[in-house]
Amino acid sequence: GENVEQHPSTLSVQEGDSAVIKCTYSDSASNYFPWYKQELGKGPQLIIDIRSNVGEKKDQRIAVTLNKTAKHFSLHITETQPEDSAVYFCAASKINSGYALNFGKGTSLLVTP
Amino acid sequence: DVKVTQSSRYLVKRTGEKVFLECVQDMDHENMFWYRQDPGLGLRLIYFSYDVKMKEKGDIPEGYSVSREKKERFSLILESASTNQTSMYLCASSTPGTHPYEQYFGPGTRLTVT
Repeated sequence: GENVEQHPSTLSVQEGDSAVIKCTYSDSASNYFPWYKQELGKGPQLIIDIRSNVGEKKDQRIAVTLNKTAKHFSLHITETQPEDSAVYFCAASKINSGYALNFGKGTSLLVTP
Repeated sequence: DVKVTQSSRYLVKRTGEKVFLECVQDMDHENMFWYRQDPGLGLRLIYFSYDVKMKEKGDIPEGYSVSREKKERFSLILESASTNQTSMYLCASSTPGTHPYEQYFGPGTRLTVT
């Protein structure tokens, strides 16, 4: 089955700096890669996703890049703010495989003022 | 807004008890999922369902069963709770459509088995 590795497990940055979280996947047939943000006491929420026919996608301060050859994808958050502090999960799936997601183990991001 | 609700935020049960975790979504979603979340292990899929009375095993189904008698409700059952099932349980739903893979999560149930 699919194995998704996520690094780092914890990340601390100063407000205004950039944060990068990286994931690798094992199944070359995976073609959908979402990122979820989980705030304290809440369930995860989708923040951005990318499909394998696209190399990069951006939404305001967040962006995701995908390297299919190397089987890795990354989340980039620029101009970090304290409210970006949360746990972030990457995931991988195969479209038309049944909508189930394989999640990474998560990254706890702390943005200090 | 999609709303996924879970019956309890916190639950304490004894070893050997039968435990029911209930999840209800109000958006007529076809797909529903149960995950458990443990520190350092991320989210692991227990069971999922594509339709009423349909169920599929996820990565860690042992010790669990599920029931989906109505489209909006997906129940996770621990037949005989054990201490290693102490965890945060998250329910999610999704629908085939313009964004079929976006899963909407409930707030979670923190289950402690003593």
